[in-house]
Amino acid sequence: AQKVTQAQTEISVVEKEDVTLDCVYETRDTTYYLFWYKQPPSGELVFLIRRNSFDEQNEISGRYSWNFQKSTSSFNFTITASQVVDSAVYFCALSEAHATNFGNEKLTFGTGTRLTIIP
Amino acid sequence: NAGVTQTPKFQVLKTGQSMTLQCAQDMNHEYMSWYRQDPGMGLRLIHYSVGAGITDQGEVPNGYNVSRSTTEDFPLRLLSAAPSQTSVYFCASSYSVSPYNEQFFGPGTRLTVL
Repeated sequence: AQKVTQAQTEISVVEKEDVTLDCVYETRDTTYYLFWYKQPPSGELVFLIRRNSFDEQNEISGRYSWNFQKSTSSFNFTITASQVVDSAVYFCALSEAHATNFGNEKLTFGTGTRLTIIP
Repeated sequence: NAGVTQTPKFQVLKTGQSMTLQCAQDMNHEYMSWYRQDPGMGLRLIHYSVGAGITDQGEVPNGYNVSRSTTEDFPLRLLSAAPSQTSVYFCASSYSVSPYNEQFFGPGTRLTVL
């Protein structure tokens, strides 16, 4: 069965520090997709990034970067020079291509990491 | 383009009462779903729909019903509310059933059952 583990329940850093959020996943499928979502204090989840299992290229988007390593089943998220606006709960999620029925219903979320940026 | 909308934003029920949480999307998305978010448990899928007239159960369906008569709307019904259903409920939609597609989430409904 698929599983996503976010071992860091809460992290606090001082503004401008770099911070890495860990995500470890388990799946038996060879084709799968990994996601990161952000849930700011307003409550609405916002999609940040998607990565498929065949693309291990790291990605950088401004201050955000993602490190996907199949060898360790990890998809970690780094925020460089953190800002107060980065304070949120971050969720990692996994969906399998060869799941039962349709596929999208097998999207599994981790328990989230609450990130607090201290001004 | 309003995206995914949910009403109400907050609701308090007494045990045994029934109610419907409303969800609508204006993106012509095929796939819609309901999740509940509880502390320390992430998001768990309640029910989902892959198109008008087609629904199925997710991970935690007991005590909830859904229907999808139109592409836009996907209401969630609580048949007889219980304190265990106290949670934050999110409706989400995506372009298709493909596991590749990201989900678009509504603002959530915070439900308290006394």
